[in-house]
Amino acid sequence: KQEVTQIPAALSVPEGENLVLNCSFTDSAIYNLQWFRQDPGKGLTSLLLIQSSQREQTSGRLNASLDKSSGRSTLYIAASQPGDSATYLCAVRSAGGASGSRLTFGEGTQLTVNP
Amino acid sequence: ETGVTQSPTHLIKTRGQQVTLRCSSQSGHNTVSWYQQALGQGPQFIFQYYREEENGRGNFPPRFSGLQFPNYSSELNVNALELDDSALYLCASSARTSGGDTQYFGPGTRLTVL
Repeated sequence: KQEVTQIPAALSVPEGENLVLNCSFTDSAIYNLQWFRQDPGKGLTSLLLIQSSQREQTSGRLNASLDKSSGRSTLYIAASQPGDSATYLCAVRSAGGASGSRLTFGEGTQLTVNP
Repeated sequence: ETGVTQSPTHLIKTRGQQVTLRCSSQSGHNTVSWYQQALGQGPQFIFQYYREEENGRGNFPPRFSGLQFPNYSSELNVNALELDDSALYLCASSARTSGGDTQYFGPGTRLTVL
């Protein structure tokens, strides 16, 4: 059974700081890994998707890396801004079988960027 | 905007009642998944429908059931509501292709059970 863990659970940083969010998963047989952003009481916004064959993806100030063999991914946010304040969720799609295309989520990292 | 819509946005029910939540998929998407997100936790997979048939189910009791219609819209039904069913319910649609699928999430329905 796939399990996803995110560290830290909460993070508070001053504006302008670079930061790293961590995600680990127990079963390396994954199809892809996705990072989402969730604002309070809202749905999920996809930030980056990394296929199992890829090592990283970049979008603007965001960079996500994937080390499938060690079961780890990181989300790097450069030059953080107050508007980045949200909960960041990591989700893994396991490969094949009965799991279909279900996503297994971590519990998220709640980020606060202070002006 | 993902093109995935859900209704209603908020709902209050009492224990023992039944509820139906609705989801309209993004155009061209033939797969819909439902997730339950309790406060402060990550979403948990409930089930998935592909071309109107259930195609995978998470660890949820049978009182959670669903439907997918020919236009690929979907319903989540929950019978005999319990207090622990209070959560944000998210649906996600995707188009299954040889290259895999990316799931696009709706804004969710907030269900409160009193």
